[in-house]
Amino acid sequence: GAGVSQSPRYKVTKRGQDVALRCDPISGHVSLYWYRQALGQGPEFLTYFNYEAQQDKSGLPNDRFSAERPEGSISTLTIQRTEQRDSAMYRCASSFGGSRNEQFFGPGTRLTVL
Amino acid sequence: AQTVTQSQPEMSVQEAETVTLSCTYDTSENNYYLFWYKQPPSRQMILVIRQEAYKQQNATENRFSVNFQKAAKSFSLKISDSQLGDTAMYFCAFMNQAGTALIFGKGTTLSVSS
Repeated sequence: GAGVSQSPRYKVTKRGQDVALRCDPISGHVSLYWYRQALGQGPEFLTYFNYEAQQDKSGLPNDRFSAERPEGSISTLTIQRTEQRDSAMYRCASSFGGSRNEQFFGPGTRLTVL
Repeated sequence: AQTVTQSQPEMSVQEAETVTLSCTYDTSENNYYLFWYKQPPSRQMILVIRQEAYKQQNATENRFSVNFQKAAKSFSLKISDSQLGDTAMYFCAFMNQAGTALIFGKGTTLSVSS
């Protein structure tokens, strides 16, 4: 497809379980970003990649959160030992990078931790 | 650290009217980028308009235009000839020159009625 895709769109899990959220960026986009958005709030930055290199992970809330982009395309955000406070919409965005820095967002994964 | 403030949690307007959404930001950088994103009830994130801080000319995209006041660190969005489809949450966002991440405001919910 032409846009950023994310899967699954909805994920319900029990507290303590691990989850993996996938992002497939727009073809040719160098930069990939992960954000978390609580209901009624703006997205908050988690981490970003240029190609396969993780450039900034300062927004990851704790060491239960990690992300990878091993081949510079698809990225996975993993949350280990989920907690109820992890419930949110997780959004991925991508851009060409450099001066072409408009970020295009995917539809998000709505995570609910019971 | 950069911050983005949207002081209007909610606004209402009638079809065909013009509405202005406010945004202020704080940064010590001289070169940066500013964006407005639209989030309709579907919760997609749609880029509305982009402004480079080094450009004095205000950006325009059809019915959407901005009033960028660099000295005042103000970046308001004007929507002309409002349409029902403009009903959405609007987020103002800042990006530094390095393009590391978007910093979002808390959003303004706009309701357009007939």
